[in-house]
Amino acid sequence: NAGVTQTPKFRVLKTGQSMTLLCAQDMNHEYMYWYRQDPGMGLRLIHYSVGEGTTAKGEVPDGYNVSRLKKQNFLLGLESAAPSQTSVYFCASGRGIGETQYFGPGTRLLVL
Amino acid sequence: QKEVEQDPGPLSVPEGAIVSLNCTYSNSAFQYFMWYRQYSRKGPELLMYTYSSGNKEDGRFTAQVDKSSKYISLFIRDSQPSDSATYLCAMRNNAGGTSYGKLTFGQGTILTVHP
Repeated sequence: NAGVTQTPKFRVLKTGQSMTLLCAQDMNHEYMYWYRQDPGMGLRLIHYSVGEGTTAKGEVPDGYNVSRLKKQNFLLGLESAAPSQTSVYFCASGRGIGETQYFGPGTRLLVL
Repeated sequence: QKEVEQDPGPLSVPEGAIVSLNCTYSNSAFQYFMWYRQYSRKGPELLMYTYSSGNKEDGRFTAQVDKSSKYISLFIRDSQPSDSATYLCAMRNNAGGTSYGKLTFGQGTILTVHP
């Protein structure tokens, strides 16, 4: 039982490049979340999903897109990376809204 | 003004000390309060979960909520070097609308317990 996994662990991008971050969970959770963590800002919600095929905007959605084609996977896309998107990205999953959220190990992204 | 304020520290204490970590908040709709622990280069993990006002104890950890003052605390007794981590408070409300159930995090407090 791996819990929540994220790939890649670390990535360097140039401004304007695109990439996709993958989150996978094996706990059969309905809800999945993408957060970014920046110094002095805590964790901020980017997008979330309440089930396969659904997505919704969080607190800081601009510049990101997401997809939830399969229940166990939640993808976060950056179409045109900007230096302001340099951050550590965490994925989380939970059984339902308000239930405990289980976090992945994070992806460190550096945009030059 | 942020909805949740948390002193980022860093906080350095000797082994065995009692540690007090705190958060204040402005949204009176928050009813559920959590503390997450995050080790370096790892994801946060849930440590304590409380509902409304009162205390909750789990081993060396005690979570305290004072809704009248909009203030929550986490106490760690007999602190150990293995407690060295970043501690994040998180809160959510139980109201309807787009904010239902979403967590709002504090900035996190970096704690170091030295032998």
